[in-house]
Parts: sequence; C-alpha cells; structure tokens
Amino acid sequence: DAGVIQSPRHEVTEMGQEVTLRCKPISGHDYLFWYRQTMMRGLELLIYFNNNVPIDDSGMPEDRFSAKMPNASFSTLKIQPSEPRDSAVYFCASRFGGNQPQHFGDGTRLSIL
Amino acid sequence: AQSVAQPEDQVNVAEGNPLTVKCTYSVSGNPYLFWYVQYPNRGLQFLLKYITGDNLVKGSYGFEAEFNKSQTSFHLKKPSALVSDSALYFCAVRDMNNNAGNMLTFGGGTRLMVKP
Repeated sequence: DAGVIQSPRHEVTEMGQEVTLRCKPISGHDYLFWYRQTMMRGLELLIYFNNNVPIDDSGMPEDRFSAKMPNASFSTLKIQPSEPRDSAVYFCASRFGGNQPQHFGDGTRLSIL
Repeated sequence: AQSVAQPEDQVNVAEGNPLTVKCTYSVSGNPYLFWYVQYPNRGLQFLLKYITGDNLVKGSYGFEAEFNKSQTSFHLKKPSALVSDSALYFCAVRDMNNNAGNMLTFGGGTRLMVKP
C-alpha cells in the first residue's frame, strides 16, 4: 500500500509565480481532500471531491486558488498568482466510503518569497 | 455546525506514566470521532475512531479513547507513555446525521511531550 503521494515535498518560489501541487490518492478511494496547515490557523479544509467531482470548495481562500481532479488517481491544487501569505504546508488526504478514516500524504511545504 | 475543542496546547508527562489528551466536541446529531497523530514533517496518521458500539475504543500503538456522550468528550489515553509518543495529536469529529457534509472538523491540536 503506497499511501497518498504528494509532490513536490518542498517548493520555494517567488511571489507572483504559479504553483501547482500534486496528489495521487490511494487506489479505490472515492473521496479526496485538500488541507492547508499553518501555525496561526491550524488545519483548514480547502476543498473536497467525491468520485472526481468537487463537492465543497467553501474553504478555498480566494480565486487565486483552484483545484482539479481529472481522474480517480490524480488531483492538483494550483495557486496563481502566489503570495507570501500562501506559505504553508498543504496536505492531500483520501478516504473510502462514509465512515472510514482519511489517509494523509506527507504534505508539500510551500514557501513564497 | 460541528466543532472540536482541545483545551490543552501542550501536555507534559514522564515516560512510563499514564497520559491523557483531552477532546470535547459539538455536533447536532450523532458523532463520528477520530484521533490522529502527526510527527515532524509528516502527514497526519490515523490512530483510532469511534463510530458506534463500545464506548472504549482501542487503537494503534497502545492508545485508547473513551467516548462519553453525556460529557461530549473523547479523551485519548495510554497507560504507559513512551518518549517516542511525543508528537502533535489531533481530535476530529463528523456529524453522522449530516448528509450534506462529509467533512471532518479538526481540533487545534495538542503537543504531547514525554520526558525520559
């Protein structure tokens, strides 16, 4: 079991650049979640998908953030243009069914200079 | 609305002593409850869950948690702490009667420090 795989693990870029974070969920899982973790705000849910369809994106901070899930094995979170306040650790998690636990990837540590 | 409170930012315990990490929750229906642990530079790892049934739930690494409906609590416990248990612990809740929501709400986390 490979677990949830995120790439890159670390990203450092300059303000204004486009950032793309990638996630491969566990095979067979039908829910996928994107979170952001900061010291100030803790763990925040940004968006989640069910069967590749976005269900709730109310946590996406603003229009600079977008997420896609073109198929069951891949999702992206894009920030364009990036700002220093976007610096955080971004986690992807997946789950099978209604009452099973979410499984988290090891995150992408994003630093916007 | 659903919410979780972890009242302690940090818990300090000596190795070999019992540990408790507190969690209280609020949901309008019946809760699904989870505990996760996070080690440095890693994602959250699932420890245990309560869905229904026995109020005492046993999980990974010797951890257990007790569901108390009257006190709306789900405290995490371990009889004998190890230095390697030092990490950040998160409690999470989901309202099982809320068909419109599949989202977990996480507490702010409690840092557990186990001293040798």
